[in-house]
Amino acid sequence: SQKIEQNSEALNIQEGKTATLTCNYTNYSPAYLQWYRQDPGRGPVFLLLIRENEKEKRKERLKVTFDTTLKQSLFHITASQPADSATYLCALDITGNQFYFGTGTSLTVIP
Amino acid sequence: DVKVTQSSRYLVKRTGEKVFLECVQDMDHENMFWYRQDPGLGLRLIYFSYDVKMKEKGDIPEGYSVSREKKERFSLILESASTNQTSMYLCASSRTGGNEKLFFGSGTQLSVL
Repeated sequence: SQKIEQNSEALNIQEGKTATLTCNYTNYSPAYLQWYRQDPGRGPVFLLLIRENEKEKRKERLKVTFDTTLKQSLFHITASQPADSATYLCALDITGNQFYFGTGTSLTVIP
Repeated sequence: DVKVTQSSRYLVKRTGEKVFLECVQDMDHENMFWYRQDPGLGLRLIYFSYDVKMKEKGDIPEGYSVSREKKERFSLILESASTNQTSMYLCASSRTGGNEKLFFGSGTQLSVL
């Protein structure tokens, strides 16, 4: 079955630094990979999607890379702010209509 | 904006009760999903539906059933609730296609005593 691992359950960084979150997967080659943000007590909210033929995608302070050879995606938040503190989830689109999620990384940005 | 509404934020039930979790979306999405989220295990897919009256099992369907009589509504049913079904339940919807994002509801925290 698909296995999706996200680096360390918790990540603490200083405000203004770049946060880098990792998503590694095995056993499949997804056509798409997505990143979501989840705040406590809320449902996940979509942030970015990257296709298998795209190496990098950017949106404001967010950047996602997708290396299908390494089976890895990196999610970067530059100039991090305390408001960026949340849990970040990666999700693989396996069939075009079925999504599998990693366990998430809890990011805390320290002022 | 798409809105996915789950009927209850918090629910407390007794072991053996039949439990209904309701989810409604307002953007005419074809696909609807039920996940449960547990600490350390992440989101796990219970059931999903591509269309009205269609349903497919996810990774952990045991102990659950679903109903989709109308396009906008997807119900999760716990036939006989057990304590190991205590969890956060999240409903989501999306359009059909290869690059469509999921829209989630706010979740229902279910406690089975």
